[in-house]
Amino acid sequence: QLQLQESGPGLVKPSETLSLTCTVSGGSINSGSYYWGWIRQPPGKGLQWIGSISYSGSPYYNPSLESRVTISVDTSKNQLSLRLSSVTAADTAVYYCARQTAFVVGPGAMSSYFQHWGQGTLVTASS
Amino acid sequence: QSVLTQPPSASGTPGQRITISCSGSNSNIGTNTVNWYQQLPGTAPKLLIYSNNQRPSGVPDRFSGSKSGTSASLAISGLQSGDEADYYCATWDDSLSVVFGGGTKLTVL
Repeated sequence: QLQLQESGPGLVKPSETLSLTCTVSGGSINSGSYYWGWIRQPPGKGLQWIGSISYSGSPYYNPSLESRVTISVDTSKNQLSLRLSSVTAADTAVYYCARQTAFVVGPGAMSSYFQHWGQGTLVTASS
Repeated sequence: QSVLTQPPSASGTPGQRITISCSGSNSNIGTNTVNWYQQLPGTAPKLLIYSNNQRPSGVPDRFSGSKSGTSASLAISGLQSGDEADYYCATWDDSLSVVFGGGTKLTVL
């Protein structure tokens, strides 16, 4: 059974870099059929996609966060990582990692969904 | 503001059928398939419907999804108290992004 577990500091100072790791167990991050993504949720608010990466390491990011985000995979450790630079209080959120399925369903049409999620980790940006 | 528009709240009584709408545009719902997630209080989101109307294994057939043009709907029949949760629609946008709706809080009266 696939499991994802986020880990990292729960408190980050403003202007510093948030770094989180997602450890995947019960399956290989190397699986060619899937992408791996990060999604966040500010307290009391909705979900925001941060970015995703393929097993081969090709990332794509939310345009609103792209200048500050780096997502990478370490296949030897079966881990996914997130780095978000220059954090502010607006980056305070529960951060989730998830396995994403994405495929073409027709001319110019995509199906893309997150079927397996980690439990999430709260990161607070505060001095 | 979310790219996809959902009503902030919905309610129903046990046994009732309710629907939650999700409105987008040609660059997202109009072109790509829609997914729905259920988030019970204090837990991670769970995939409820994918590819417009497909249910993952284990999701009861009380939950169904549909799409027409640039809008989609989630229907829940035989409403139960355990269905109280936040529901989010999501899809791919042609700007190379995953986009979510703002979420709908479902209350079972």
